[in-house]
Amino acid sequence: KAGVTQTPRYLIKTRGQQVTLSCSPISGHRSVSWYQQTPGQGLQFLFEYFSETQRNKGNFPGRFSGRQFSNSRSEMNVSTLELGDSALYLCASSLRGGYEAFFGQGTRLTVV
Amino acid sequence: DAKTTQPTSMDCAEGRAANLPCNHSTISGNEYVYWYRQIHSQGPQYIIHGLKNNETNEMASLIITEDRKSSTLILPHATLRDTAVYYCIVRVVSDYKLSFGAGTTVTVRA
Repeated sequence: KAGVTQTPRYLIKTRGQQVTLSCSPISGHRSVSWYQQTPGQGLQFLFEYFSETQRNKGNFPGRFSGRQFSNSRSEMNVSTLELGDSALYLCASSLRGGYEAFFGQGTRLTVV
Repeated sequence: DAKTTQPTSMDCAEGRAANLPCNHSTISGNEYVYWYRQIHSQGPQYIIHGLKNNETNEMASLIITEDRKSSTLILPHATLRDTAVYYCIVRVVSDYKLSFGAGTTVTVRA
């Protein structure tokens, strides 16, 4: 079966702009989580959605937001981009949160 | 807030078994041990998890000590494609997030 799909794979944005990243989970998976990975901070949890509701949120500013649609697809948005937002953004899906999470290939965001 | 301790790096010869240790001395009774790996610039890949019994799947074996304070991930016949960062994570099954530490960088050499 198809894995987790993230689009786009690469993105270059300018400081101050906003960006939307997309994640399509494995069919049947209802939980989608987002992570940010940077060389300095490693992998950090952003938030988790289940059945269109955000259930858990990491320690990130309000510029980072997300949503989940009725088909379980999820988007995350970052507004007013800063240079420090340059990172690999990873999406993971699981059946209902917890358990085994399956990650996508990530979106590499570069802010210039 | 990772609850595990892993060596920073280790080397392994191709074709040999790779034994990756992980200490989790503060593990609670309802916390599982999960292993993920991340090959360069890819998303983390689930390997295996266990509670207190040893587990084996097509990728690896997980050996958990009787007191559950440490575990070992075994890659039985390491290949060059097993070169990756390996993360040991303890979590309650219902916990929505994975707390990644720095992991162990494993380099498999020909």
